[in-house]
Amino acid sequence: AAGVIQSPRHLIKEKRETATLKCYPIPRHDTVYWYQQGPGQDPQFLISFYEKMQSDKGSIPDRFSAQQFSDYHSELNMSSLELGDSALYFCASSLGLGLAGFYNEQFFGPGTRLTVL
Amino acid sequence: DQQVKQNSPSLSVQEGRISILNCDYTNSMFDYFLWYKKYPAEGPTFLISISSIKDKNEDGRFTVFLNKSAKHLSLRIVPSQPGDSAVYFCAASAGDDKIIFGKGTRLHILP
Repeated sequence: AAGVIQSPRHLIKEKRETATLKCYPIPRHDTVYWYQQGPGQDPQFLISFYEKMQSDKGSIPDRFSAQQFSDYHSELNMSSLELGDSALYFCASSLGLGLAGFYNEQFFGPGTRLTVL
Repeated sequence: DQQVKQNSPSLSVQEGRISILNCDYTNSMFDYFLWYKKYPAEGPTFLISISSIKDKNEDGRFTVFLNKSAKHLSLRIVPSQPGDSAVYFCAASAGDDKIIFGKGTRLHILP
C-alpha cells in the first residue's frame, strides 16, 4: 500500500541557509501534519493543513513556513537555519480532521533528517 | 510542561512474557489516546487507540487500558515477541487534529 513519502531523506545545511522539506501524503488523504523530533526528544507538533488551509499551529518558529498545494502535497520551508533546527522532521497524513471522540488516524512518513552545521 | 509523560525511558522483557508500558497525562481535556511504535529510521506507526469513553481496547496481542481518574494509561503486549523491540510513544488528543506525544519508551525483548 502507498505510504507517506518525504523528500529528501537526509539534508545537510549550514547555519543561516534555507531548507525545503517535501511531503507527499497517502493518495486521497487531504490533511497533512508536520512534526519535529530533536535528538532524544519526543515528536513536537509544528503545523497542519486541511484542504490546503492551515488547520492548526503548534510550536513552529517564525522562521519556518509551510503550505499545502492543490495536489495535497506539502512543503515546509525553513530559513535562517540554526544549529538547534537539527532534527528529524516527520510528516503525517490523514483523511479529514479528527472530530471529538472519532479520531482520524495519522499515518507517518519515514522522516527527513536535517543536520545544520 | 510535559502533558504526556512516559517515565520509563527503557524496558527489558523476556520473550514470551508480558510487556507493560505506562503513560500518564495531565490535560483533562484529552479524549483520545494512541500508542505508536517506532523502529529506527522509520516514522511512527499507529498501534492501537482508545477513546475516553472506554477503559479497555484490545487488538490481538495488544491491549490498552485507560484509567481516567488516575489520568493513566498502559499498553500490554502478551506474549512479547522479538519484533516488538522498538520505541513506543504514548500520545493524546483533545478532539482536535493535533497529537501530543510522550518522550517514548524503548522496549527490548530479550531472547
